[in-house]
Amino acid sequence: GAVVSQHPSWVICKSGTSVKIECRSLDFQATTMFWYRQFPKQSLMLMATSNEGSKATYEQGVEKDKFLINHASLTLSTLTVTSAHPEDSSFYICSARGQAGYNEQFFGPGTRLTVL
Amino acid sequence: GENVEQHPSTLSVQEGDSAVIKCTYSDSASNYFPWYKQELGKRPQLIIDIRSNVGEKKDQRIAVTLNKTAKHFSLHITETQPEDSAVYFCAASDNTDKLIFGTGTRLQVFP
Repeated sequence: GAVVSQHPSWVICKSGTSVKIECRSLDFQATTMFWYRQFPKQSLMLMATSNEGSKATYEQGVEKDKFLINHASLTLSTLTVTSAHPEDSSFYICSARGQAGYNEQFFGPGTRLTVL
Repeated sequence: GENVEQHPSTLSVQEGDSAVIKCTYSDSASNYFPWYKQELGKRPQLIIDIRSNVGEKKDQRIAVTLNKTAKHFSLHITETQPEDSAVYFCAASDNTDKLIFGTGTRLQVFP
């Protein structure tokens, strides 16, 4: 099956710093990637849709200047949390979709961000 | 936009019993309905999915039913086992491919 990796798997940072999370599709080309955030004991909330070579589409209420998304190639999307604060601490999960018209998304293992 | 509601939030069953989780959706344009199992700290794993042109799909102990008219779909797990214990999420997607998740059901299967 299709494999998606994320790096790092966990990160602890100080308040005010920026953190970059990478999402890679290892064995397929992902035209579209999605970024989700999941707080403890809650559901996955879609943050943004990332299409290769174009600007990300953010969901309502998600600050695009705070959560910078770059999808520079068909196998890599990055999420940068800028000026992180404790309330940004969460589990960030990416997913990748391959060929257009096929709905199934393949999820990365997630990145746990803790902001002190 | 799409809104997905999921019930119950917690479900406890005895090993061997059946478990049913129900979801409703609001957007009639949604046409893809996956179910995910998520263990603590892990990624969601797709366990079964159904598309809007099908009313029912089964895979061994797991089945999903879809009622497009009523806009609801359900997950059925038969002969539950302790390893089925996890959080289960339903989701709905339209042609934009965005997945909107339900609120989750914590299933506990007691031996």
